[in-house]
Amino acid sequence: KAGVTQTPRYLIKTRGQQVTLSCSPISGHRSVSWYQQTPGQGLQFLFEYFSETQRNKGNFPGRFSGRQFSNSRSEMNVSTLELGDSALYLCASSFVSAGLDKNIQYFGAGTRLSVL
Amino acid sequence: KQEVTQIPAALSVPEGENLVLNCSFTDSAIYNLQWFRQDPGKGLTSLLLIQSSQREQTSGRLNASLDKSSGRSTLYIAASQPGDSATYLCAVRPSGSGNTGKLIFGQGTTLQVKP
Repeated sequence: KAGVTQTPRYLIKTRGQQVTLSCSPISGHRSVSWYQQTPGQGLQFLFEYFSETQRNKGNFPGRFSGRQFSNSRSEMNVSTLELGDSALYLCASSFVSAGLDKNIQYFGAGTRLSVL
Repeated sequence: KQEVTQIPAALSVPEGENLVLNCSFTDSAIYNLQWFRQDPGKGLTSLLLIQSSQREQTSGRLNASLDKSSGRSTLYIAASQPGDSATYLCAVRPSGSGNTGKLIFGQGTTLQVKP
């Protein structure tokens, strides 16, 4: 069974540009969460989508947005890039169920974004 | 506000040693706790998930325990191997319907197992 796929793996952008990252969840998983990982702040929750709706949002500015499609694939967009947006962006998918092991989050390999 | 702390930040042990990684959290209102492993430049691999009603979970040489009332979890690794070298992260999912899909992570413990 294929894992969580994130594309692209690496991106280099300049300040002021915008970027779109893609995440394809494990087949059958309807929840997709996004995280930002930096050396200083560690892993921080950005937002979660379920059935094309944003259910939860972390403390990030409005420049960070996302969406989810009917096939559960998700995209994350960052507008007006700043140097501090350089990070590893990870997405995770989960099945979402009352079952004991069904809420495990499975992570992709991430997209490393460098803002110059 | 939930905060997750992992001690120590780094650990170096000789191969074959049994070791314990610690994780503490400030708010006991959690839905579950998950341990992950991250290799350099890679994503996270889920190791164990403990529901709030459980006390421990085991997988192979790994055993994770949870004491929700004291806000602590430990990850026990038996007979460590060089291939166990990685950063280990613990994360809690806060309880409550407004916290779906959200994990709060510790800063991790970087483990080096020397041959």
